[in-house]
Parts: sequence; structure tokens; C-alpha cells
Amino acid sequence: ILNVEQSPQSLHVQEGDSTNFTCSFPSSNFYALHWYRWETAKSPEALFVMTLNGDEKKKGRISATLNTKEGYSYLYIKGSQPEDSATYLCAFQGGSQGNLIFGKGTKLSVKP
Amino acid sequence: NAGVTQTPKFRILKIGQSMTLQCTQDMNHNYMYWYRQDPGMGLKLIYYSVGAGITDKGEVPNGYNVSRSTTEDFPLRLELAAPSQTSVYFCASSLLYEQYFGPGTRLTVT
Repeated sequence: ILNVEQSPQSLHVQEGDSTNFTCSFPSSNFYALHWYRWETAKSPEALFVMTLNGDEKKKGRISATLNTKEGYSYLYIKGSQPEDSATYLCAFQGGSQGNLIFGKGTKLSVKP
Repeated sequence: NAGVTQTPKFRILKIGQSMTLQCTQDMNHNYMYWYRQDPGMGLKLIYYSVGAGITDKGEVPNGYNVSRSTTEDFPLRLELAAPSQTSVYFCASSLLYEQYFGPGTRLTVT
């Protein structure tokens, strides 16, 4: 059974703090690692798709790194804002036609 | 583009009733998926389709059926609703990597 683990489960930070969370995934049969942002009462929206070991992606204040050999990815948020409050999901894809295996997410709350 | 649309948004069913959750995408994506999301759990794949006429089981297919007669539509059918099927259901589609999600259907079975 493939397992995707995310930590921490939840995180409370103050506005302006920088934060990061982890996604662990199987290191074998890797094809892609996906990060999604999921706001309450909305649907998940794709942030990044990462395919190569050592990949680093950035979108505004949010960035992600990927280590496929050891099976982890980090998501960083610099200078958190209240609008960053959401659940951040990662998903492992094994094989080009492999389905996504989602973690349970990290719920981020940013207090003004 | 409307993207991925789902109907209904909410539904309450009695045990044993049946219903179809509708999903439509206008992006000409080959891949379509149905997930359910339960509190404290990640998204679980119910069924998926790689193109019209082709469907396959995901992680939690029991109690559900799907069909894919066109590229655009991927309905999910519950034949005999059970309380364990109370959940939020998301439909998604993709061309290659990135999946685009619909707004979800919140289903309660009592």
C-alpha cells in the first residue's frame, strides 16, 4: 500500500511568519509530486507539479523543493498572510498513467 | 471555459435510495476522476477514466458505478445508498499532470 504522509497535520502562525511543511512519499516508481492548495468551501487548486529530483518551484511567496531519492518534498511560505490560510495537499504519482495518492494535508491558519 | 462542473451541490438521501452525481468538463481532457473526501482523511479515488468508453476502479469503488460515454461527462452512480457513503465528492479532470477539480457535491445519507 502506497503511503503519502504530510506533517504537521495543522499549523498556526502569525502574519509575517515564514513556515514550511513536509510531504513524504515512496521513493520507488516515482513519476511526479503534486502540491495543491485547498481553501475551505472551495475545491483544490494546483500549486506545483514536480518531476525531477532537485526540482525547485516558486510562485510568489510559495516555493517547493523535491528529493525523489529520499522521498520527500518541502513547501515553504515566506511572510505568511491571512489569505494563505488553507489546507495544503501533496499527492504522489507513480508512473505516467498512475493515479494520484493524496496525503491528508497540512492545515495552515495565519492570524493577522 | 467553465472548467469542471458538478451537480448537485448538496443532496440528502435516504438509505437504499439511488442517485447520480453529474460531472462535466469543457477542457477536452481525456482523464477524469471521482474522489471522496471524509473528515480527517485525504482524498480517496473512487473511479477514474482515461478516455471515453474506458473506466477503471480506484481505491474505494465499492457501492459506486461510473460510465464515460463522452469525453465531457463522467457521472457517478450510487445504487443503494448507505450511511458510509456520506461524504463530499469531487470530480476532477486532467490532460497530463495537473488535475482540475470541480466544486464538490456534499452528500448525506440518513
